[in-house]
Formats: sequence, C-alpha cells, structure tokens
Amino acid sequence: GAVVSQHPSWVICKSGTSVKIECRSLDFQATTMFWYRQFPKQSLMLMATSNEGSKATYEQGVEKDKFLINHASLTLSTLTVTSAHPEDSSFYICSGQRGGNTGELFFGEGSRLTVL
Amino acid sequence: AQSVTQLDSQVPVFEEAPVELRCNYSSSVSVYLFWYVQYPNQGLQLLLKYLSGSTLVESINGFEAEFNKSQTSFHLRKPSVHISDTAEYFCAVSAGGTSYGKLTFGQGTILTVHP
Repeated sequence: GAVVSQHPSWVICKSGTSVKIECRSLDFQATTMFWYRQFPKQSLMLMATSNEGSKATYEQGVEKDKFLINHASLTLSTLTVTSAHPEDSSFYICSGQRGGNTGELFFGEGSRLTVL
Repeated sequence: AQSVTQLDSQVPVFEEAPVELRCNYSSSVSVYLFWYVQYPNQGLQLLLKYLSGSTLVESINGFEAEFNKSQTSFHLRKPSVHISDTAEYFCAVSAGGTSYGKLTFGQGTILTVHP
C-alpha cells in the first residue's frame, strides 16, 4: 500500500525555538495533505489542509503564524512550529490523499514534539 | 460540522470472543464513515470505510461495520478476535467534495485481547 512518512518521529526542543516536521508521500503524489494534532488521551484534531502550490487553509482556532505549513512539491509538506512553548507539546500526524475526491487517505506514523 | 462519539474508551475481551466497538456520529450533511486502526508505534491504517451502496462493509481481516442512518451509528464488529487485534481503533467521518479528506475523529477505543 501507499506510504506516508514523517520525520522526525520524535523531537525535543527548548522553549522559544522552532521545529520543522516533514511529511512525505513516498509512492504517490499528494496534491492535498492534512495535518492533525493529538493530545494525550484525546482524539486527533484537524489543524490545517495543505495544498500543493498554494496557501494552507487552517481550522478555526489554529494560529497560522504559529504553525507554518508549506507544500512545495507533490510529495512533501512541512509543518513548522514557531517559537514553540510547552503547550505545543503534542503528537502531530499528517495524511496524504491519493487520487480524486474520494481518494484513499494514508497517514504518517506521527511526530511527537516535546517542548521543554 | 460533524462530531463522533466512541462510547467505550477501553474494551477488554478474551481471545475468540466476539467484540463490538461502538461509534455514533452527528452531522447536518451526508457523511462518509471510516474505521482506522493504530497498532503500537505505527501510523493509522484504514480498516474499512462506507462511501455508498451496501450499508454493511467488511475488512479483509474479519471486521465488519454497518452504517445505520436512522441511529447515526457505524459500529465495528468481529465475531472472533485474535491476540493480534489488540490495538486502538478510531471511528471517523467526513463530508464529501473538497472536505472529503478532512476527518473528524472519535476519541478512540483501546481493544485489548487477552489469551
């Protein structure tokens, strides 16, 4: 099956620094990718939709200047957490959509961010 | 907007017993329904989905789910579980069109199969 890979799988950073998480579709082109975050013992919450070659669209309540999303190619989307704070510590998961309107969605393994 | 409720956060069962993981949703529009499974240290994997047609959908490893529009439910069932089915299961919904990939997830149900 198709594979979506995230890197890094875990990262620890100091408060105030920025962290970049990559999401790659390894064997298909994903014009649309999605970013989710998951707090401990809670569900995944959609943060934003990443569109290749255009600006990301953010869900209500998600700070676009805090969570910068870039989708520069059909196989790579990046999420940069800027000026990270301890409350940004979470599990971040991306998904890529293969094909048309009901194209199958493939999820990455997730990236665990811990901000000290 | 949609919401999903998984009624059980944890379900312990013995091997070869039947299991049902419950999922209810609410939505003002027609939705597509999904069940994903997450094994430890792995990403989410699609187990099965309902897009249209027969309301009973099956997976290749013996799970099935039935879309019940009147009860707004999409419960997941398996008649006989294995140790290897131990994982966390997520129910999700999405609207169609350009919102297809924007999934709303339930809180997850941890299924633990005991020998």
